[in-house]
Amino acid sequence: DAGVTQSPTHLIKTRGQQVTLRCSPKSGHDTVSWYQQALGQGPQFIFQYYEEEERQRGNFPDRFSGHQFPNYSSELNVNALLLGDSALYLCASSFRESPLHFGNGTRLTVT
Amino acid sequence: KQEVTQIPAALSVPEGENLVLNCSFTDSAIYNLQWFRQDPGKGLTSLLLIQSSQREQTSGRLNASLDKSSGRSTLYIAASQPGDSATYLCAVRGTGGFKTIFGAGTRLFVKA
Repeated sequence: DAGVTQSPTHLIKTRGQQVTLRCSPKSGHDTVSWYQQALGQGPQFIFQYYEEEERQRGNFPDRFSGHQFPNYSSELNVNALLLGDSALYLCASSFRESPLHFGNGTRLTVT
Repeated sequence: KQEVTQIPAALSVPEGENLVLNCSFTDSAIYNLQWFRQDPGKGLTSLLLIQSSQREQTSGRLNASLDKSSGRSTLYIAASQPGDSATYLCAVRGTGGFKTIFGAGTRLFVKA
């Protein structure tokens, strides 16, 4: 049973560019949440998708957007990248009251 | 606004020691609390999930307790092993939405 898979694992981008990160949830899960984790910090909630709609959003600018597809997979898009966007981006999936299951993340470096 | 604090920030213990990690939260209106483990550069692994109506959960050598009224949770690790070395994160989901708020974690090092 595959867990949460994220791609790519590492990414290097230049300031001002745009990036798309992808996430496939654990089998049986229908809800996907995205988190940003800076070095030495806990993950910060970006947003959650359920039934292809953004259900709740954290304190992140509109440069961060997402999408959920009918197969429950999800994308995180970040426009106009800043140096401060460098972080580990984590995807978590869940179903109803189940625990959050996380992928191994995408390490984004903005130069 | 919910805030989650974990103390200590780092901990080094000899193998075999029993230890307690602490988590506190400012808003007692929580839906659930979850403890995670994170190895360097990796994602998070769920250890224990405590629903709002529960007082504790146990899995193997791990026991987590929840006291909503005081805004505290503890993770007890029995007979620690070098393989337990990792960062342990506490996370709280409030009753008013779907967002889960994380603490900054406790970095644990178990010496052989």
